[in-house]
Amino acid sequence: RKEVEQDPGPFNVPEGATVAFNCTYSNSASQSFFWYRQDCRKEPKLLMSVYSSGNEDGRFTAQLNRASQYISLLIRDSKLSDSATYLCVVFGSNDYKLSFGAGTTVTVRA
Amino acid sequence: DTAVSQTPKYLVTQMGNDKSIKCEQNLGHDTMYWYKQDSKKFLKIMFSYNNKELIINETVPNRFSPKSPDKAHLNLHINSLELGDSAVYFCASSQDGTAEQFFGPGTRLTVL
Repeated sequence: RKEVEQDPGPFNVPEGATVAFNCTYSNSASQSFFWYRQDCRKEPKLLMSVYSSGNEDGRFTAQLNRASQYISLLIRDSKLSDSATYLCVVFGSNDYKLSFGAGTTVTVRA
Repeated sequence: DTAVSQTPKYLVTQMGNDKSIKCEQNLGHDTMYWYKQDSKKFLKIMFSYNNKELIINETVPNRFSPKSPDKAHLNLHINSLELGDSAVYFCASSQDGTAEQFFGPGTRLTVL
């Protein structure tokens, strides 16, 4: 089983729509969680950290469910510039490394 | 101004050759990493160095050898290149092992 699994998509949504997707992780000792964004042929960049209580950053909302070992990302009022691959990233306290999901591709169309 | 830089950006070479990729960060971070992103887009960690000391060494063929001359540099040397080594290699750095990682622009390696 992969350490971090994501629905690859693609999610094709119109501008202004809401899109949400999840990621599951297998290491119950994981202690930190992140969403990174990767544009085509570019490097990944941190979008937001995910806190236990859930957190919001503008149009982006992240949730963590430790019992079911999943993380979610919701994008409200999608913009064309939100088109990218979103990588779910988990840090394990037992192996001290970041594990990346393969990414969920989101395409926002005009 | 570039935080994490890598050279070269593109590398096309023949099987069996030896090549190096260089990475430098000017963020003052203590920890640096090498990742490999294959055609399926999975980013997999290869190595991690903290203050010039190797702390993570994933199951990577010993043809791959990282070298950290100082904490701002982490180079990757690859011997006897194989077709399967074709991928994008990203260097990254972070203040400590749990903090946000900053990635370089990547080196696209193609082995013919």
